[in-house]
Parts: sequence; structure tokens; C-alpha cells
Amino acid sequence: NAGVTQTPKFRVLKTGQSMTLLCAQDMNHEYMYWYRQDPGMGLRLIHYSVGEGTTAKGEVPDGYNVSRLKKQNFLLGLESAAPSQTSVYFCASSRTEIYEQYFGPGTRLTVT
Amino acid sequence: GNSVTQMEGPVTLSEEAFLTINCTYTATGYPSLFWYVQYPGEGLQLLLKATKADDKGSNKGFEATYRKETTSFHLEKGSVQVSDSAVYFCAFLSGSARQLTFGSGTQLTVLP
Repeated sequence: NAGVTQTPKFRVLKTGQSMTLLCAQDMNHEYMYWYRQDPGMGLRLIHYSVGEGTTAKGEVPDGYNVSRLKKQNFLLGLESAAPSQTSVYFCASSRTEIYEQYFGPGTRLTVT
Repeated sequence: GNSVTQMEGPVTLSEEAFLTINCTYTATGYPSLFWYVQYPGEGLQLLLKATKADDKGSNKGFEATYRKETTSFHLEKGSVQVSDSAVYFCAFLSGSARQLTFGSGTQLTVLP
């Protein structure tokens, strides 16, 4: 099993550009999450999904959109990138909310 | 609101030294508590967890005890190794929320 994979690993965007980060899991997990990690701030939840076709806002959702069209995939979109969105983005999945979350390797995004 | 306060780093120790990383939380109800570890260039991995008061989580020589009276979940290891060098995150999952709340992380460096 690959576990949780993220594409791409690195990306540099100019302000105003758009992009989509892809997260895929092969563990048949219901729950999926997108976090951002900034120095000294731990991980903050952007959006999450409790099943195919559902999404919900986390702690810092502004400037991001998500979709969960297939159970195994969770996409994070930036419609108009801003320098404040420079961060490392982690995707995670879990069987339900009370079970261990499994994390992907992360995507390092720089917005100039 | 919910929050995790974690000992600030960085922490530098010599091999075989004793490690303590403090973690306290503010949450409603009786949350489940976790320690995650992030090795360089990787995503987070669950290190140990405890789901009720007085439970002790343990893994790879690390231990943490769920102390309800002091709302704490301090991480300890009796003899650290160079391979333990990583960032350690304390987190909790409260019954009223479907998301993990993370501390800011503690960078540990172990010198040979």
C-alpha cells in the first residue's frame, strides 16, 4: 500500500495564479483532511471531508476550496494565490474521526 | 477555546540523555491525546496515544501519561538516540469536534 500520496511535492506560483493539490489514499478511509504547516504554528486545519461528496471548513479555510468527488481523492484548490499562502501543505486520512490520522509527505508551496 | 501548549524548542541533547517535552491542553470534555513525530522531509507519524485519564501511551521507548487533573500529556524517553532527532507535536481530539488540535511542535536534536 502506498498510504497517502500528494502531488506535487514542490511548486512555485506567482501571485494571482491558481493551482490544485492532489491527495490520494488507498486505505479506504472515510475521512480526509488538508492542513497547512507554518513555522512556530504547528498544523492548522484548512478543510476536511467526512465522506465522498462532502466537505467542511476547518480553522483557516479562506482562500482555499476543496472537492471530494471520489472517496480516495481529496483536492485542494487555490484560485488566486497570495504570498500568505506560502506554506507546507499536508494531507491526511483516517477511518473515522476517532482513529489515527495518516499523513502524506507534504507539498511545499511558495507564492512570490 | 481549545488549545495545546507545548514546550518550545529547539531542544538539544546528547545521546543517552533523558528527554521530557511538556504538553498541556485546554479542551472541553475528555479528549483523546496524541504525540506525533515528524522526521526531516517527511509527513507526521503517530508516535503514541492515550484515550482516557491515567492511560499511558508508549512506543519506541517513548512514554506519555494522560493526567486529567493537570490537563497534561508530557512526552518522556529515558535514553535518546541520534535517530530520535525530529519535530514532536502534541495534539488532542475532543469529543465535540472532528478535528485534531496541534501544538506548535518541538524540534529535538540529539548529538552523538
